Amino acid sequence: DQQVKQNSPSLSVQEGRISILNCDYTNSMFDYFLWYKKYPAEGPTFLISISSIKDKNEDGRFTVFLNKSAKHLSLHIVPSQPGDSAVYFCAASAEAGNMLTFGGGTRLMVKP
Amino acid sequence: DTGVSQDPRHKITKRGQNVTFRCDPISEHNRLYWYRQTLGQGPEFLTYFQNEAQLEKSRLLSDRFSAERPKGSFSTLEIQRTEQGDSAMYLCASSLGSAEAFFGQGTRLTVV
Repeated sequence: DQQVKQNSPSLSVQEGRISILNCDYTNSMFDYFLWYKKYPAEGPTFLISISSIKDKNEDGRFTVFLNKSAKHLSLHIVPSQPGDSAVYFCAASAEAGNMLTFGGGTRLMVKP
Repeated sequence: DTGVSQDPRHKITKRGQNVTFRCDPISEHNRLYWYRQTLGQGPEFLTYFQNEAQLEKSRLLSDRFSAERPKGSFSTLEIQRTEQGDSAMYLCASSLGSAEAFFGQGTRLTVV
């Protein structure tokens, strides 16, 4: 039972354009959502988070949108840079600081 | 370096042997988490500690697995009688209360 799903295993975008990564969840108890970036042979690196009381959070080039009624969140990266090429994981928890449930990841490739 | 530190980075062991991994969290972080990641999947929660108390364990954590966090500082994860299915990346993360979790670089275990 996959409670957090990232349906696109990969995404390719041109440098300077927008990257949109999507994530769906099924557990209505999830209250806090995060995005992590992972390079090969390294641990995940925290990018941005959002709690269920908000529908948008922005940090520099990264914006996360949350649609609670659709149980959907997305990460927008604008403008995309070649250094953004990595695997992106969305994660959710029932309470900030509790165990995280991760999606399967989306590999983003940003072409120069 | 003040990030989460894991040791060793790589471990190759024969089936049936015991292995132990160590995690040193960020110094002021009171929560410590263990996750496991296999190829092509997102990290899966194993267990977490608040200070020295083990608060939650996943059903993935069979009786061959044990984790400790004496004195609420570093943590160890031991796997007894390793099996080939234990081959994975073992990730440790830490957080300060309800804030986002920061991951170490992981320990890659190969059981041959």
